[in-house]
Amino acid sequence: AQKITQTQPGMFVQEKEAVTLDCTYDTSDPSYGLFWYKQPSSGEMIFLIYQGSYDQQNATEGRYSLNFQKARKSANLVISASQLGDSAMYFCAMRVLGFGNEKLTFGTGTRLTIIP
Amino acid sequence: DADVTQTPRNRITKTGKRIMLECSQTKGHDRMYWYRQDPGLGLRLIYYSFDVKDINKGEISDGYSVSRQAQAKFSLSLESAIPNQTALYFCATSGGGGPQETQYFGPGTRLLVL
Repeated sequence: AQKITQTQPGMFVQEKEAVTLDCTYDTSDPSYGLFWYKQPSSGEMIFLIYQGSYDQQNATEGRYSLNFQKARKSANLVISASQLGDSAMYFCAMRVLGFGNEKLTFGTGTRLTIIP
Repeated sequence: DADVTQTPRNRITKTGKRIMLECSQTKGHDRMYWYRQDPGLGLRLIYYSFDVKDINKGEISDGYSVSRQAQAKFSLSLESAIPNQTALYFCATSGGGGPQETQYFGPGTRLLVL
């Protein structure tokens, strides 16, 4: 079974500072993908970034980057130069790869608040 | 227009009532999913469908049923709603295009069962 752990229920960060949101995972499968989603107060789930277990480099998407440490089973999201619009819930999720493995396992989320 | 739409967006119902949540997508994806979100628990998978003829239970399917009426439509039913089914419900789709293929979520339906 897969498990995602997000240990930070809430974080407060000053605008323009970088922020790291923690995510650790547990799986015995060697082939998996890790996803981060943003959920603003309006409720929708917005895909941010993906990291595959065999990817050699850390994923980056604009201001988002993923600090992937496979041996530690961690996939922390880094947001550079935070903005007020980054205030939201952030979810880490994992999917074991392979046909039929469609289930995304989500963590409990981190509520990020950006302070002006 | 949104690629994944859900109706209704908000619903209040009473214990024991039957309720249907509907999902439509214009992304042309074969795979569709229903999740529920509870505070402090993240999202959990209720049902998923690979195509019109393929329906699979997720981790919390008890008390729910689904219907895949067409490639673009996937509905979730609560046959006899109970208060602990109060939650935010999401429909999602994916194209199965590879390991990095994400799931695209609808805006969610807030359901309150009294």
